[in-house]
Amino acid sequence: SQKIEQNSEALNIQEGKTATLTCNYTNYSPAYLQWYRQDPGRGPVFLLLIRENEKEKRKERLKVTFDTTLKQSLFHITASQPADSATYLCALSSGGYNKLIFGAGTRLAVHP
Amino acid sequence: SAVISQKPSRDICQRGTSLTIQCQVDSQVTMMFWYRQQPGQSLTLIATANQGSEATYESGFVIDKFPISRPNLTFSTLTVSNMSPEDSSIYLCSPKTLAGGGETQYFGPGTRLLVL
Repeated sequence: SQKIEQNSEALNIQEGKTATLTCNYTNYSPAYLQWYRQDPGRGPVFLLLIRENEKEKRKERLKVTFDTTLKQSLFHITASQPADSATYLCALSSGGYNKLIFGAGTRLAVHP
Repeated sequence: SAVISQKPSRDICQRGTSLTIQCQVDSQVTMMFWYRQQPGQSLTLIATANQGSEATYESGFVIDKFPISRPNLTFSTLTVSNMSPEDSSIYLCSPKTLAGGGETQYFGPGTRLLVL
């Protein structure tokens, strides 16, 4: 069956370090993958999209990699700040209309 | 990115009643996705709505419980019918435009529903 896995445990890191979040998937062949940030009580906010033919995408302090052989995406936040504390969701395109299917999310806590 | 608004932002309802959630987008979009997010959970797709055609529902969701309207390219509604406490959730609309390689999907602010 299709499955998307993100680290269920919260990730705690020190301010200034690089946070790395993992998204693994099975039985999918997504055309693209997206990462979102979600704060409590709010809708997800789009961060980055990476297509199946792209290895890496960057935006300011964010970097996403996409390995279709390993069926894995890594999401990096460099020089992390307490304001980066949130839940980060990965979502894969699936099926007709490329609807997005979401992972459970990983909660990131950046400590001063 | 599109500006997306949802009404109401939150509501408390009695079991057995129905609530209609509105989603307005400031530009024309091809498709509207409706998701729900139960407490502590991730987003689950309820249905996909194209203008002028019946909505397509995901496994576990049916039209009688979650009827959707899509009268034009900027507006959609989702009704949660005959509510029970298990329907307590955040409901989110997510518009998508296919033109111009527009894969990016944005989300509305959500409607927080509590059913007593």
